[in-house]
Amino acid sequence: QVHLVQSGAEVKKPGASVKVSCKVSGYTLTELSMHWVRQAPGKGIEWMGGFDPENGETIYAQQFQGRVTMTEDTSTDTVYMELSSLRSEDTAVYYCARLGGSYSHFDYWGQGTLVTVSS
Amino acid sequence: QSALTQPAAVSGSPGQSITISCTGTSSDVGGSKYVSWFQQHPGKAPKLVIYDVNNRPSGVSNRFSGSKSGNTASLTISGLQAEDEADYYCSSYTSSTTLHVFGTGTKVTVL
Repeated sequence: QVHLVQSGAEVKKPGASVKVSCKVSGYTLTELSMHWVRQAPGKGIEWMGGFDPENGETIYAQQFQGRVTMTEDTSTDTVYMELSSLRSEDTAVYYCARLGGSYSHFDYWGQGTLVTVSS
Repeated sequence: QSALTQPAAVSGSPGQSITISCTGTSSDVGGSKYVSWFQQHPGKAPKLVIYDVNNRPSGVSNRFSGSKSGNTASLTISGLQAEDEADYYCSSYTSSTTLHVFGTGTKVTVL
C-alpha cells in the first residue's frame, strides 16, 4: 500500500517560485514512477510531468517546460515539484500521483496542495 | 496535446444506468490500451475506478465498467446510487511528448 503525504498550502506573489513536496511511504522511491498533476479551481485535471520508466527520464508537459522542475530525494523517499515565474493562472491544487500497474494508470494520489498566486 | 472530450454533465435517477463518453484521437485513446477513469468528490483527490480500459481496482464496485471503441472510451455506472454523484475524468497514455492527457470532466448528478 502506497501512501502519499503532501506539504501544506502556499500563498505566493506573481513572479515567485513554489516548491511542493510529496512524502512516499509503503514503497521506496526507486521502485516508483511519480508524477504531478494540477487542477485549477472549478477546472479539469492537467498533467504536468513525471518519471518516464521507458527512457528513465523525467518528462515535462510542453506548457510547463522551462518553468517546472521535478526532483526526488531517495534518502527521505520524497519527491518535489518546483514551479517558477508564478502567475495568477497557476492558482490550483497540485497533486502527486504514482503511475502504477504496468506504468499505465495513476493509482495512488496525494491529498493535494493548494497554491494561491496573488498580489 | 488537447484534453480529451467529455460531456459536461450527465444525470440519472437512482437505479438507472448512465454512460459517460471520452473522445480522443488515434494518438491517445484510439491507440492506447491505457485508458483510465477517475471519480472525484468535491474537495477530494481523484480516485481510480477503471484502468486499462475495462479493469476495476480492488474495492471498486462492480457497478462501474469501462469499454472502448475506436477513439472513444466509455464509463458506465449501473444501478446509480446517491454516492455516485461526483465529477468523473478519463485519462489516456499518449504517443506524443505529453505522456498523459486527461478529459474535460463530467459532472454526474443523481436526480
